Amino acid sequence: DVKVTQSSRYLVKRTGEKVFLECVQDMDHENMFWYRQDPGLGLRLIYFSYDVKMKEKGDIPEGYSVSREKKERFSLILESASTNQTSMYLCATLGNTQYFGPGTRLTVL
Amino acid sequence: QKEVEQDPGPLSVPEGAIVSLNCTYSNSAFQYFMWYRQYSRKGPELLMYTYSSGNKEDGRFTAQVDKSSKYISLFIRDSQPSDSATYLCAMSRSYNTDKLIFGTGTRLQVFP
Repeated sequence: DVKVTQSSRYLVKRTGEKVFLECVQDMDHENMFWYRQDPGLGLRLIYFSYDVKMKEKGDIPEGYSVSREKKERFSLILESASTNQTSMYLCATLGNTQYFGPGTRLTVL
Repeated sequence: QKEVEQDPGPLSVPEGAIVSLNCTYSNSAFQYFMWYRQYSRKGPELLMYTYSSGNKEDGRFTAQVDKSSKYISLFIRDSQPSDSATYLCAMSRSYNTDKLIFGTGTRLQVFP
């Protein structure tokens, strides 16, 4: 079974903090994705990566950056957290379809 | 207009009912269609995927694609309380190489 793990299930941060969300997969998949999920808006793609050190902007990259130093690890970075970044963040990896991690519910106060 | 439209629900049905979940889309280039199930506080998990038009059955679940109408459906027979979840449709232009476009999800509740 594909396993996608995310470093935290719940996270509370303050406005202006730098936030790191980590995602690790164990299936040697090339492609990894970061989404945020909000009520009424569904899943929106923030960034994705086709390979180590390769990254592409998704539909809503503003306020975020990513890092992929190793194939199995894809990190999402909020440079200066804001309240409108309170959301559920989902990491996914692509095999024959997308496999999702359990999500990180981030609250920015 | 969104590329993929999905009624958010909630949809509440009694146990044993047949459930119909639907999505419409606007991009005729979509070829691969998926349904994900997401339980509360969990990530989405793939339920079914189909290619192009037609039906696909897996146990109590049937996925249907009508490309001429740009309409996809998921039917759940003999629904169970354990089917209570949010169901998301997703689609892409190519298999395994393209990003997915998701619907917003339909919340389903099956009561005993």
